[in-house]
Amino acid sequence: QQQVKQSPQSLIVQKGGISIINCAYENTAFDYFPWYQQFPGKGPALLIAIRPDVSEKKEGRFTISFNKSAKQFSLHIMDSQPGDSATYFCAASNPYPSGSARQLTFGSGTQLTVLP
Amino acid sequence: DADVTQTPRNRITKTGKRIMLECSQTKGHDRMYWYRQDPGLGLRLIYYSFDVKDINKGEISDGYSVSRQAQAKFSLSLESAIPNQTALYFCATSDPGVGTEAFFGQGTRLTVV
Repeated sequence: QQQVKQSPQSLIVQKGGISIINCAYENTAFDYFPWYQQFPGKGPALLIAIRPDVSEKKEGRFTISFNKSAKQFSLHIMDSQPGDSATYFCAASNPYPSGSARQLTFGSGTQLTVLP
Repeated sequence: DADVTQTPRNRITKTGKRIMLECSQTKGHDRMYWYRQDPGLGLRLIYYSFDVKDINKGEISDGYSVSRQAQAKFSLSLESAIPNQTALYFCATSDPGVGTEAFFGQGTRLTVV
């Protein structure tokens, strides 16, 4: 059962364009939504994250838009650059009844290529 | 030096062999995780540990076992490797709480032939 669905699987954008990656989730208990960026040969690294009490978070050229009622969130990369070419994973986490167990559930990933 | 170090970085092994992947961290985090990455499937949790005495199964633990030797060391074992365990494996650490970042190692590419 895939709790976080990510699309598209791959994306090609021209330099300077806007890259948009979408994710949808099912578990309404999720309360933290990070995006991870992974370059070839490297492990994923946190890029930006949002809590469901806000609808948008912006950090530089990267923006997360969050729609709680639709259970969807998306990553927008403005003025995309070749250096942004990487695999992007959305994720979600929720508190477990024990209160101490918090895990990340990842989307399937989007391979972004920004053409020069 | 990397905060989360995985060894080996690449490994080819034969079907039926036992193999151990090792992870060590200098972040001082109590929580450690093993994930498996497959194309089109993202990252899936194999096992996680909240301290030396706490080991928990993740989404896809069948065929795997783990050992938390110390706060800083968490190893993943494949008791009898099979070809569909060919994948990229990542170790990660984190602090407890909401909104805490997971720090990943550079991964181990395992091929089972």
